[in-house]
Amino acid sequence: SQQGEEDPQALSIQEGENATMNCSYKTSINNLQWYRQNSGRGLVHLILIRSNEREKHSGRLRVTLDTSKKSSSLLITASRAADTASYFCATSQTGGFKTIFGAGTRLFVKA
Amino acid sequence: DAGVIQSPRHEVTEMGQEVTLRCKPISGHDYLFWYRQTMMRGLELLIYFNNNVPIDDSGMPEDRFSAKMPNASFSTLKIQPSEPRDSAVYFCASSLIYGGPVWTGGYEQYFGPGTRLTVT
Repeated sequence: SQQGEEDPQALSIQEGENATMNCSYKTSINNLQWYRQNSGRGLVHLILIRSNEREKHSGRLRVTLDTSKKSSSLLITASRAADTASYFCATSQTGGFKTIFGAGTRLFVKA
Repeated sequence: DAGVIQSPRHEVTEMGQEVTLRCKPISGHDYLFWYRQTMMRGLELLIYFNNNVPIDDSGMPEDRFSAKMPNASFSTLKIQPSEPRDSAVYFCASSLIYGGPVWTGGYEQYFGPGTRLTVT
């Protein structure tokens, strides 16, 4: 089964609102990453958080990691229509470079 | 850099035919990954290479699939014979994990635009 599972599967919000997506995983990890995929395109790396970090920021993105609960969240603040995309969490297990992607959250930001 | 390049972007073929997908990773990257994406199964890792050597091919669905990396700037994924259930978008991604003797600490993967394969 997949290592990372996102929640919710789909999210629809108004422009300017914040969007929060969650990811849960099952085994010990080296790091957790978030990627964005626009329709018909390849995935684009957004942010990486290491297993010894708890929070990380990049522009309007904020990622948290709780290794005790094996979960992470991605917050996009002040969303824009251009943020409409699918968002995936990906984990690299301890001791390896094999990256496992979750099923993704489809975000729709209405203008 | 031009990023990861994949060809063709679209491929339509008949069942039983051989299909070859191509990938040129970002220059200097030491890891290359092949993924398959479908609505039903999501994004699946098929195989990955380190310095042109296959490291883990446990995701390759069956013997009909094979991948090679003859040099640092080129990789192929071949399906022979193809079946309708192979229809998917196939992505290649590259990463710089070990920049040499010093650990770069990066796992970020850079994805190509994908090849949309349709097998009829």
